[in-house]
Amino acid sequence: QSVLTQPPSVSGAPGQGVTISCTGSSSNIGAGHDVHWYQQLPGAAPKLLIYASTNRPSGVPDRFSGSRSGTSASLAITGLQAEDEADYYCHSFDTSLSVVFGGGTKLIVV
Amino acid sequence: QLQLQESGPGLAKPSDTLSLICTVSRGSISSDSNYWAWIRQPPGRGLEWIASLSHSGSSYYNASLNFRVTTSIDTSKKHFSLKLNSLTAADTAVYYCARGLQGGITRAFDIWGRGIMVTVSS
Repeated sequence: QSVLTQPPSVSGAPGQGVTISCTGSSSNIGAGHDVHWYQQLPGAAPKLLIYASTNRPSGVPDRFSGSRSGTSASLAITGLQAEDEADYYCHSFDTSLSVVFGGGTKLIVV
Repeated sequence: QLQLQESGPGLAKPSDTLSLICTVSRGSISSDSNYWAWIRQPPGRGLEWIASLSHSGSSYYNASLNFRVTTSIDTSKKHFSLKLNSLTAADTAVYYCARGLQGGITRAFDIWGRGIMVTVSS
């Protein structure tokens, strides 16, 4: 049971958009701690996609965007491409002095 | 760009202690505001944070690992290490090392190693 809750899977057609949610609590996202997102392609290490809720590292397409509200955060992906099919993880910090991850969401591009 | 490389045994026995090293290349390990982390991923499952440590000696551990973890950093060798004792099959996972962005332990992990698969089996 992860501290941050993500849907197990989401799907969308090429060209469409999807949103992946990350629900926490008042001791992590709700406490104002940063939320970060990673993309993990099959067999690869995670890659930073969004940091501090809304910021994209250099090289990440602007099709990827992040937001947060209250005790939740979201990752939006527009203009889906086949290569976006991957696992996505959210990450934050908990006031129990622990780094926490979401359980991961598998994005299926149908 | 800075690179990270995990090294260690691919197979360990139950009750043994696992020792892994993460070597930093093409960059500095001595920044006061970066944290270095160990994260693992059991086969087919999600990411689990193990520990974070800084060059200055601060360290944080995942309490669910019941104090089985110790970490250290050797700036002269440009590496940091993880020791996990009392291994069980549940510790079978890909172990990643990662660098946190400057600014403290709440920051994102911007650079990851490729990971090392560790299997715990007799």
